[in-house]
Order: sequence, then C-alpha cells, then structure tokens
Amino acid sequence: NAGVTQTPKFQVLKTGQSMTLQCAQDMNHNSMYWYRQDPGMGLRLIYYSASEGTTDKGEVPNGYNVSRLNKREFSLRLESAAPSQTSVYFCASSGGSANTGELFFGEGSRLTVL
Amino acid sequence: DAKTTQPTSMDCAEGRAANLPCNHSTISGNEYVYWYRQIHSQGPQYIIHGLKNNETNEMASLIITEDRKSSTLILPHATLRDTAVYYCIVRSPFTGTASKLTFGTGTRLQVTL
Repeated sequence: NAGVTQTPKFQVLKTGQSMTLQCAQDMNHNSMYWYRQDPGMGLRLIYYSASEGTTDKGEVPNGYNVSRLNKREFSLRLESAAPSQTSVYFCASSGGSANTGELFFGEGSRLTVL
Repeated sequence: DAKTTQPTSMDCAEGRAANLPCNHSTISGNEYVYWYRQIHSQGPQYIIHGLKNNETNEMASLIITEDRKSSTLILPHATLRDTAVYYCIVRSPFTGTASKLTFGTGTRLQVTL
C-alpha cells in the first residue's frame, strides 16, 4: 500500500518552461489536493478536487492548472514556470470508507525555477 | 475557519512530555481542532483531532479547554524522532466532501538529549 505517490521528486526548470507534476493515490479516496510550501512557511492550497470530474481553486491558483484524470490521479501543470513558483509541492488525498476528513500527504516534489 | 496561534518554537528533553499549546479563541461551536506534524521536509502527518472531549491515541493526547478557546497537544514521552513542526488547525465539521485545511506556520519542536 503506497498511499500517495508523487513524481518527480526533484525538478529544475528554466523560466518559461512547462511541466506537469503527477500524483496518484491507491486508497480509493474521493478528494485530492495540491499544496505548495515555501521556505519557512506553512502549506497553501493551490487546487483541489472534491471528487472525480470536479476541480476547484484554492488559495493560490494563479499560474497553475490541474486535471483529475480519474479517481486515482490528480496532476498539476505549470504552463510557463516563473522563479516565484520555486517551492515544494505536496499532493494529498482524503475520503474513504472511514472518512474523518483526515488528509494523507505524499512526500513532496521539489521544484526550482531558474 | 477559525484562526490559530501557536508559539514559534519549543524545546523538550528526550523522555519528557512535550506540551504544545494552541490558541483558537474565535473557534465556533461546531469546529474541530486538528493536529498535524511535518518531520523535516516530508509531507505532513495527521496526529489527532477533537471537538470537545479530550482525545488520546497511540501518538498523542489532545486536551481541549472547557471554553474550547485553546488546546494542548501532549506527546507523553518525546523522542528525537518527534522533532518536527506541529500544526494546529481549526476546521468546520467534515461534511463528506473536500477537507480543505489551512496550515499556519506551526510550532517547531526540538527534542534534545
């Protein structure tokens, strides 16, 4: 049982390049989330998907797009990366048979934009 | 969701109890208190949550004051592996849809020998 898996774990981009962060969960959860964490700060919600087929903006959605590909997978895309998007990105999921609203997080994807 | 206030950092000797306070004076009657921790730069990990009554699990105990304006997370026998940032979060009752959580900057707990 892998839980929440994120790829890649590390990535360096040049300004203007695009990339997609992948996230998959094997817990049959309904909801999935993307957070970012800047140095010394708490996590901020970028986008979330309450259920398959739906996505909604979080606190800091500008510069990002998401796709809920199926129940398992939720991807985050940066169309034109900027240095301000240098951060650690965390994917999370919630919602199962014993759902208490608890979030399960992946190990993070560390992105540097030069 | 109500805002929380936590000390920036705390120290605790290994083997002693670590008591991490959280102030949430604007909490509403139906809002829950959740605690997560983040070890080094890993993804946050759920610890415990509660509404009114004190709660205990294998990781920690949560003590909520009678007026619910503050709470304390207790790690009964802290170890070096408990060194982490601890987040206290107040949220609305879970309704079965998305569980959006707002993370502050938390308390950095340093456990020392």
